[in-house]
Amino acid sequence: EAQVTQNPRYLITVTGKKLTVTCSQNMNHEYMSWYRQDPGLGLRQIYYSMNVEVTDKGDVPEGYKVSRKEKRNFPLILESPSPNQTSLYFCASSPRTGYNEQFFGPGTRLTVL
Amino acid sequence: SQKIEQNSEALNIQEGKTATLTCNYTNYSPAYLQWYRQDPGRGPVFLLLIRENEKEKRKERLKVTFDTTLKQSLFHITASQPADSATYLCALDFPEPYSSASKIIFGSGTRLSIRP
Repeated sequence: EAQVTQNPRYLITVTGKKLTVTCSQNMNHEYMSWYRQDPGLGLRQIYYSMNVEVTDKGDVPEGYKVSRKEKRNFPLILESPSPNQTSLYFCASSPRTGYNEQFFGPGTRLTVL
Repeated sequence: SQKIEQNSEALNIQEGKTATLTCNYTNYSPAYLQWYRQDPGRGPVFLLLIRENEKEKRKERLKVTFDTTLKQSLFHITASQPADSATYLCALDFPEPYSSASKIIFGSGTRLSIRP
């Protein structure tokens, strides 16, 4: 089944404790992206990747890191999480940038205490 | 900076009527525009895409229009059903200058409720 998977689905952590949210897609898509969703603010793009080893900042990249060492995986790293990073996070992929639908993962609800 | 507005946070309509949702943007026009459906606690699901040189796109009971003069897209659901109740998001794709990359910006969504 074609899908985007994220792990973990739920995470409660404390300020400053490094964490990684994994994202994997099995559709051989070139383009992958991370979003956060907050009430009243909608989905905001954090980082995106055009292909392996090619990443770029979205609208809200501060406090996040990403890597794209393999085509299928695009982990999101929070080196030192803070409470303002409490949010619902979505990973998405599409065959290529532009003119294609994005396939979204199920989401990761992160709480930073 | 580019802004997107979905002009209703919530829209309630009677079953069987046509629901019309609006997406307005500022500044320059996107290369294309997409509409997604999102159910509570789940990721958005793609519905329709329309390019800047297209005026209208249809898929079953769904219709999207794109007016680059008004800087507006309208999303219609005809013969609405309670199962259509969800949050609908518009997303605009703006190519980055001098690059093959593009930035995608989402609206905050309109929560649609269809009452029986």
